[in-house]
Amino acid sequence: AQSVTQLDSHVSVSEGTPVLLRCNYSSSYSPSLFWYVQHPNKGLQLLLKYTSAATLVKGINGFEAEFKKSETSFHLTKPSAHMSDAAEYFCVVSPNTDKLIFGTGTRLQVFP
Amino acid sequence: ETGVTQTPRHLVMGMTNKKSLKCEQHLGHNAMYWYKQSAKKPLELMFVYNFKEQTENNSVPSRFSPECPNSSHLFLHLHTLQPEDSALYLCASSLGASGETQYFGPGTRLLVL
Repeated sequence: AQSVTQLDSHVSVSEGTPVLLRCNYSSSYSPSLFWYVQHPNKGLQLLLKYTSAATLVKGINGFEAEFKKSETSFHLTKPSAHMSDAAEYFCVVSPNTDKLIFGTGTRLQVFP
Repeated sequence: ETGVTQTPRHLVMGMTNKKSLKCEQHLGHNAMYWYKQSAKKPLELMFVYNFKEQTENNSVPSRFSPECPNSSHLFLHLHTLQPEDSALYLCASSLGASGETQYFGPGTRLLVL
């Protein structure tokens, strides 16, 4: 069975410090993996996608994620947080069917 | 967000009302989806349409009735809803329906009184 676990429901950082949002997945074969972001009262926006090409994936707004098969992880990082990064972040696994399997989300707070 | 639009953005309805949510995508995609997002719960897939045919009904109660007249439009007809149906309803589309990137609309915030 496919599943995705976001290890932190809330993460708080100061502006200008690094961001790490953790995600582990379970899949019986090579999945596609995504990170989406949702700002308050908005829909989900795609940040980045992994599809078995380069293991380090660069996304929008300075975010990137590294696929580590040995650790079944796909953590999202950003070197320096900005106030506008405050949002909810979803890690998603797709077992190549018509379903996306969403994590429960991580709420990122950025303090000045 | 302009690739997938949803109307209305906010909706308040009584339990005896009938209303419809509309989704339109301008991306040339062939697959469309309805999701329900409730507070403190993972996103729940409700329905999937691929080339106008329903390919997934994720055990959704019959008070929710989807309609997909063409690949660009998706409706969710609502009748005799319950207060626990209050949520954000998100529409998404993708080029195909096999693990491809889904693009989301802004959602309709529904409150059932």
